[in-house]
Amino acid sequence: GEDVEQSLFLSVREGDSSVINCTYTDSSSTYLYWYKQEPGAGLQLLTYIFSNMDMKQDQRLTVLLNKKDKHLSLRIADTQTGDSAIYFCAEGKAAGNKLTFGGGTRVLVKP
Amino acid sequence: GAVVSQHPSWVICKSGTSVKIECRSLDFQATTMFWYRQFPKQSLMLMATSNEGSKATYEQGVEKDKFLINHASLTLSTLTVTSAHPEDSSFYICSAQMGLAGVRETQYFGPGTRLLVL
Repeated sequence: GEDVEQSLFLSVREGDSSVINCTYTDSSSTYLYWYKQEPGAGLQLLTYIFSNMDMKQDQRLTVLLNKKDKHLSLRIADTQTGDSAIYFCAEGKAAGNKLTFGGGTRVLVKP
Repeated sequence: GAVVSQHPSWVICKSGTSVKIECRSLDFQATTMFWYRQFPKQSLMLMATSNEGSKATYEQGVEKDKFLINHASLTLSTLTVTSAHPEDSSFYICSAQMGLAGVRETQYFGPGTRLLVL
């Protein structure tokens, strides 16, 4: 079956870079996503990458995909206190567009 | 653009009662809506997928008679938790997309509804 794994927690100092890692098992995944969830709120789509891409950059966010190792990472440059949240990676397929979420990584940014 | 709302944002009810949660796409027509459930400190679990005007498709292990989903219009889907019990207490999140399930579309998530059953 499909499985998406993430580390539980990441602590980072304000201004440093954060790197959140994710591994998945389904090689037929078409799209891989990063979502942000703030306390008591729904999910905000941060970025996504198509499975035939290696890297995608969007302002402070850089997504790296190693399809061979089924490893996805999200790098946040110049991390701010407002970046403190839970970050979910998710994999999806074109057919059905069902998303399978990882367990989420809680990021705490210290001033 | 692409805003999804949920109502209510939180609800407390007695065991045995039914609770209806609404999910609305405010500025787009949502052909497909998804309902997720999230337990504390856990990830989102997909409960069901609904296309406007047709019956919802439920994930394995989700009781369709307990979690009634109606997607009667292109901007509204409802989830009714029937005869709620304390174990149904959870955070329910909906998402909506413009296209049909089967075509990659961005899912826009609602803010969630926190249900507490006493």
